Amino acid sequence: DTGVSQDPRHKITKRGQNVTFRCDPISEHNRLYWYRQTLGQGPEFLTYFQNEAQLEKSRLLSDRFSAERPKGSFSTLEIQRTEQGDSAMYLCASSPRYYGELFFGEGSRLTVL
Amino acid sequence: GNSVTQMEGPVTLSEEAFLTINCTYTATGYPSLFWYVQYPGEGLQLLLKATKADDKGSNKGFEATYRKETTSFHLEKGSVQVSDSAVYFCALSPSYGGSQGNLIFGKGTKLSVKP
Repeated sequence: DTGVSQDPRHKITKRGQNVTFRCDPISEHNRLYWYRQTLGQGPEFLTYFQNEAQLEKSRLLSDRFSAERPKGSFSTLEIQRTEQGDSAMYLCASSPRYYGELFFGEGSRLTVL
Repeated sequence: GNSVTQMEGPVTLSEEAFLTINCTYTATGYPSLFWYVQYPGEGLQLLLKATKADDKGSNKGFEATYRKETTSFHLEKGSVQVSDSAVYFCALSPSYGGSQGNLIFGKGTKLSVKP
C-alpha cells in the first residue's frame, strides 16, 4: 500500500533561485492538493487539481508559484525567485471521489537562505 | 469567513489521564469537521470526522461530537497512552463557496504523554 510520496524531502536554496517539488498521489485518487505549513501554524490551502485540471488557487499562491498535474498523475509545484518568506513545509495530499478526506504525504521542507 | 480555533499547547499529560482538546469553528452553512493527527516524522493522518450536527466521530479511543449550537468539535480520550504523543489539528471543510476538500486548519495542539 503506497501512500502519497513527495520529493525532495528537504531543499535548501539561496534567495532568488527556483525550486520544484514533486508529488506522487495514491494511484486511484483523482484529486490532488497542495498546502503550505509554517512553524507553529496549521496547513494552509494553496491549490487543488481534479485529474489534470487546476480548479482552485488560493490568494496565497502568488505569481511566482505554479503548479501542474500533467496527465492527471503526479504533480509539481514550482517556486520562482524564492524569497525567505517562502521557507515552509509544502504538503501534498490526495483524495478519492468522496467528500473531504485527505491523505497527506510527509512534506517537502524548503529553507531559503 | 471560515476559521478554526483550537486550544494552545503544548499539553502534557501522564499516561492514562483524560484528554480534552478544545476546538471551535466559524463557518457559514453546514461544514464537515475533522481531527487530523501528525505523529513525529510522519504526514498528517485523518483521525476522525463528522459531517453533520450531533454526529460523533470516533477512532482509536478518541471521540469528538459536532455541536452546532456551540460551534464546537472538542477531541476527547478517556485514557491516553505514550503513543498518542503527537500534534492534533482540528479542521473544517466548507459546505460551499470553495472546493470540496479545501480544508481550513487550526494551528495545532502538541500533546506529550509521559509514562
